Amino acid sequence: QKEVEQDPGPLSVPEGAIVSLNCTYSNSAFQYFMWYRQYSRKGPELLMYTYSSGNKEDGRFTAQVDKSSKYISLFIRDSQPSDSATYLCAMSDLSYGKLTFGQGTILTVHP
Amino acid sequence: IAGITQAPTSQILAAGRRMTLRCTQDMRHNAMYWYRQDLGLGLRLIHYSNTAGTTGKGEVPDGYSVSRANTDDFPLTLASAVPSQTSVYFCASRRTSGRTGELFFGEGSRLTVL
Repeated sequence: QKEVEQDPGPLSVPEGAIVSLNCTYSNSAFQYFMWYRQYSRKGPELLMYTYSSGNKEDGRFTAQVDKSSKYISLFIRDSQPSDSATYLCAMSDLSYGKLTFGQGTILTVHP
Repeated sequence: IAGITQAPTSQILAAGRRMTLRCTQDMRHNAMYWYRQDLGLGLRLIHYSNTAGTTGKGEVPDGYSVSRANTDDFPLTLASAVPSQTSVYFCASRRTSGRTGELFFGEGSRLTVL
């Protein structure tokens, strides 16, 4: 079993929809949780970052961490075609020496 | 523009050949990483370096070697390429001060081994 599991999708939604992306993990040492966005043929870029449990909001994006369930989520409100990309969850322990990534979810928002 | 530069961007290689993927960063980050990305498997860590002069093995190090002679450069070498090494390779860096742990990625090197 992989340390981090992420549904690869693909996920296709209409413009304006609310998108929910999720990851589960098994390593209880993970404390830092991130979401990266990767456009086609580009490198991943950091989208959201949270430490420990709780919510964090940034514009149309909300990241949630539930450490008791070992479950993290990324919500995208009012999704736009420009949100079409692969979204990767990533996490690390307190040493933040190395990140462990999920498989990535391919999202398409169609007009 | 500051960031990470990878070369080549794309390469087709015969099995058994030696290949070095180059990575240079100008952000003066201490830590650097090599990942490979395969469909359905996500990003997997090959090798890393926490500071110049040191390297470590990641999740999938076999068949790959790295060196870190200075802060800016972190080349990845395939001594004798095999078809299973067909992948997209990403170099990344991270400053080790501060708490975010954010990785900065290059644009990737797409390698096909025939």
